[in-house]
Amino acid sequence: QVQLEESGPGLMQPSETLSLTCTVSGFSLTSNGVGWVRQPLGKGLVWMGTIWAGGSTNYNSAVQSRLSISRDTSKSQVFLKMNSLQPEDTGTYYCARQRPLLGWGFDYWGQGVMVTVSS
Amino acid sequence: DTVLTQSPALAVSPGERVSISCRASEGVNSYMHWYQQKPGQQPKLLIYKASNLASGVPARFSGSGSGTDFTLTIDPVEADDTATYFCQQSWNDPYTFGAGTKLELK
Repeated sequence: QVQLEESGPGLMQPSETLSLTCTVSGFSLTSNGVGWVRQPLGKGLVWMGTIWAGGSTNYNSAVQSRLSISRDTSKSQVFLKMNSLQPEDTGTYYCARQRPLLGWGFDYWGQGVMVTVSS
Repeated sequence: DTVLTQSPALAVSPGERVSISCRASEGVNSYMHWYQQKPGQQPKLLIYKASNLASGVPARFSGSGSGTDFTLTIDPVEADDTATYFCQQSWNDPYTFGAGTKLELK
């Protein structure tokens, strides 16, 4: 079955670089997109960026200068790296699958990983 | 960015019909999706491309609309439907989500 699982550090200092990993199973990264979505505690959802089946990426302009998404298809992993962290980057980070047949909606989500940025 | 406007909260009784609206600041064709999120859980896709039921989602859920005005309908509402419902568009860059509508049962 389709599964996604995020992993990474829970506590970061301001100005540090965040590295998260999304390990997927049950589908191929070369046939599906994977996006990252952030949710501040008690607030709404914000799309950060997506790596598409062909390996190209799109980023939200709000974080584009600080964000990089890449993948290792042999390990079925997608990576998020975001530098110059600030307290407002605190929240739960989700990875989720995107498919063209579903109009690029997010049909499967990981459980999320909580990241706190604080000194 | 495309702003999606949702009413913040609704309260209904079990067995009733409820409609949750989402208005886009610019046209999104039919590329509107709906998610359900319960506390402490990840979002769950309910409806994709405005009116298509996602796999495994009960037929009590339905979606409609195109352009700028969209509606998620639950009929009949059940106690388990207590959750926050988000709309999301994937027509314009960047993809954006509504702020969510919190559905409470009386």
